[in-house]
Amino acid sequence: DTAVSQTPKYLVTQMGNDKSIKCEQNLGHDTMYWYKQDSKKFLKIMFSYNNKELIINETVPNRFSPKSPDKAHLNLHINSLELGDSAVYFCASSQGGGRNTIYFGEGSWLTVV
Amino acid sequence: QQQVKQSPQSLIVQKGGISIINCAYENTAFDYFPWYQQFPGKGPALLIAIRPDVSEKKEGRFTISFNKSAKQFSLHIMDSQPGDSATYFCAASTRDNDMRFGAGTRLTVKP
Repeated sequence: DTAVSQTPKYLVTQMGNDKSIKCEQNLGHDTMYWYKQDSKKFLKIMFSYNNKELIINETVPNRFSPKSPDKAHLNLHINSLELGDSAVYFCASSQGGGRNTIYFGEGSWLTVV
Repeated sequence: QQQVKQSPQSLIVQKGGISIINCAYENTAFDYFPWYQQFPGKGPALLIAIRPDVSEKKEGRFTISFNKSAKQFSLHIMDSQPGDSATYFCAASTRDNDMRFGAGTRLTVKP
């Protein structure tokens, strides 16, 4: 059973489109995240939710909107896609704050053409 | 700005050698320092982690050395194997689980 699963795994879309990436975790964790990994492998946190409440909201264009319908799900919606949005987006989860392991999904590879 | 600085960007080691990756941080609120390993096409996965109240932690061939006064920590991989070839990320986290990653080191272990 996949602990953190995200769909789709691959997504190719045109500039200006709106797309969503879905994420679900079956670990019973109360905190979920979205990370962006660029072509140079740099991992940057975008958002963090704890019990459906937004905790961390990095400097991300407001075209990116996370939505957490419940503790086990954190979806990412992206409006008006731009070429620079091409990256791998990782969903992740952990239990609580502090010194806890973050479990990552396998990533969603977004290519904007 | 990058809160955790990692070097080198890439590293090539012969099989059986020692791989060393270094990280430095500034924020004294960080109190948990994990290392994540990422294979191509996969998400990062926790490899080993250390708390600032100890100076060293060893798990098998992997050792973290931690220098609190210098705000530096490093990963040592002993007897490096081709299967260790991956990208390694150091990270630092506050109690609120605001985890920041280094830029990553691509390790290649040659047979």
